[in-house]
Amino acid sequence: KAGVTQTPRYLIKTRGQQVTLSCSPISGHRSVSWYQQTPGQGLQFLFEYFSETQRNKGNFPGRFSGRQFSNSRSEMNVSTLELGDSALYLCASRLNPDTEAFFGQGTRLTVV
Amino acid sequence: DAKTTQPNSMESNEEEPVHLPCNHSTISGTDYIHWYRQLPSQGPEYVIHGLTSNVNNRMASLAIAEDRKSSTLILHRATLRDAAVYYCIRSDGSSNTGKLIFGQGTTLQVKP
Repeated sequence: KAGVTQTPRYLIKTRGQQVTLSCSPISGHRSVSWYQQTPGQGLQFLFEYFSETQRNKGNFPGRFSGRQFSNSRSEMNVSTLELGDSALYLCASRLNPDTEAFFGQGTRLTVV
Repeated sequence: DAKTTQPNSMESNEEEPVHLPCNHSTISGTDYIHWYRQLPSQGPEYVIHGLTSNVNNRMASLAIAEDRKSSTLILHRATLRDAAVYYCIRSDGSSNTGKLIFGQGTTLQVKP
């Protein structure tokens, strides 16, 4: 079966712009989580969605937001981009919140 | 959110067993212990998880101490493809959340 698909794979944006990243989970998976990975901070949890509801949110500013659609696809949005938002953004899907997570290959965002 | 404690790096010879330790001294009774690994330029990959008993799967074994304050991931025969960063993670089983709190992980080098 197809894995977790994240689009786009690479993105370059300018400070102050906004960006939307997309994640298509494995078919049948209802739980989608987002993580930010940087060399300095490692992997940090952003938020988790289950059946279109945000169940958990990490310690990130309000510029970071997300949503999940009825088909379980998820998007995350970052507004007013800062240089420090440059990172690899990873999406993980699970059948249920307590089962193993399957990660996508990520979207590499560079803010210039 | 208490993170786990792992050595920064370890080395192993190819085809030899590898024991990756993890300390989680503040673990609660409902916390699961998960192991994920991340190969270069890829998203994390699930390895194994457990609660109290030792667990085995096709990739590895997980040995959990009787007091659950530590655990060890065992790769029975390391291959060059096992070179990766290994993350030991505890998740809150009582809240039914998919949130994973990653630490810095252990970078495993496998020498031919």
